[in-house]
Amino acid sequence: TQLLEQSPQFLSIQEGENLTVYCNSSSVFSSLQWYRQEPGEGPVLLVTVVTGGEVKKLKRLTFQFGDARKDSSLHITAAQPGDTGLYLCADMEYGNKLVFGAGTILRVKS
Amino acid sequence: DARVTQTPRDKVTEMGQEVTMRCQPILGHNTVFWYRQTMMQGLELLAYFRNRAPLDDSGMPKDRFSAEMPDATLATLKIQPSEPRDSAVYFCASGLVGSPFYGYTFGSGTRLTVV
Repeated sequence: TQLLEQSPQFLSIQEGENLTVYCNSSSVFSSLQWYRQEPGEGPVLLVTVVTGGEVKKLKRLTFQFGDARKDSSLHITAAQPGDTGLYLCADMEYGNKLVFGAGTILRVKS
Repeated sequence: DARVTQTPRDKVTEMGQEVTMRCQPILGHNTVFWYRQTMMQGLELLAYFRNRAPLDDSGMPKDRFSAEMPDATLATLKIQPSEPRDSAVYFCASGLVGSPFYGYTFGSGTRLTVV
């Protein structure tokens, strides 16, 4: 069974700071997805990465996929209070089912 | 924007009672998931369907949980009898698996409290 480890578990920063969160897998990712979940809502898909070494940008968010496809990072530049939430990585296993990591709770203080 | 609709939003019930949660997936999506989220375990996959057929329900306690898709517009998750350890937020998600793939859309969840 694949294990996804996310770090750190919790991050509290001031508005304007930069941050990076990580996702590591015990096996090669099939197709890695990053989600953000706000309190009281379901996870919302941010990005899907498939190719080793891939880099995707979504405004102030930069997603990197490791060359060996066993790790990924999410970097946020100049964090804002609206970035507060739970950041989850997930892999699509055989049969297109999603397996999630435990997530990183991000709190951005104004 | 198309949405996955879950009802009820909140449910408080007594131990031993039957609980039914409903999900309306996005029209045209061929895959539907049920997840449970708790602080301790995170998001756990309970069951999922492709074209209404159950593909995997190994994450569900079989003696008390059941999941069905009576038609393409409705997925249900039942717990009978409910226990306090079932207290969690239950999410439904749907997606269209194919090429290209655009990811899964989650509903807002049903917060279940069993007392």
